[in-house]
Amino acid sequence: GAVVSQHPSWVICKSGTSVKIECRSLDFQATTMFWYRQFPKQSLMLMATSNEGSKATYEQGVEKDKFLINHASLTLSTLTVTSAHPEDSSFYICSAPPPDSSGNTIYFGEGSWLTVV
Amino acid sequence: RKEVEQDPGPFNVPEGATVAFNCTYSNSASQSFFWYRQDCRKEPKLLMSVYSSGNEDGRFTAQLNRASQYISLLIRDSKLSDSATYLCVVYNNNDMRFGAGTRLTVKP
Repeated sequence: GAVVSQHPSWVICKSGTSVKIECRSLDFQATTMFWYRQFPKQSLMLMATSNEGSKATYEQGVEKDKFLINHASLTLSTLTVTSAHPEDSSFYICSAPPPDSSGNTIYFGEGSWLTVV
Repeated sequence: RKEVEQDPGPFNVPEGATVAFNCTYSNSASQSFFWYRQDCRKEPKLLMSVYSSGNEDGRFTAQLNRASQYISLLIRDSKLSDSATYLCVVYNNNDMRFGAGTRLTVKP
């Protein structure tokens, strides 16, 4: 079964509105979560690293005021796409390292398909 | 230079063929290496970790060359179900970087 749950799987929104995507770790606590974006036929690009209890770390070129990240608890991180535009349409996916920080694997959420119309 | 560079593909091979993917990475301090498989419109799923000594899992063989900073994946006797995008992943200190992915299509 899934160890990282992401919601919603699909969302369609109008331009100018905001969309929130949730990422939950199941049965383990995640002090760190990663948010990625993937455009069609491209690889996953790291957007930001979400840290519980502190501010997220954004990758270069990612607007922190547009992509709001809140790591509210040890099992929940949220990504809010504010004032969405059609070019924000993409596959957004979160991941969390295992609690033992062994680096042996990373757990991914199921991903969220965002379409902005 | 990209942190992780991967054969762009696509690879179109007949069933039963052997196919190999390569990937190079720029950070010599990288700690862990993986191959992930991603099916269309789905999240990536771990295929196998890559160890310095090389490792095999059924029809899949992964190898790591730290000196040259590349990893490889060999798929033998390919099946239709192997059709997917294969992502090379390099992990270092809570930082995970992906290659662009190589699309494999196995045809009857």
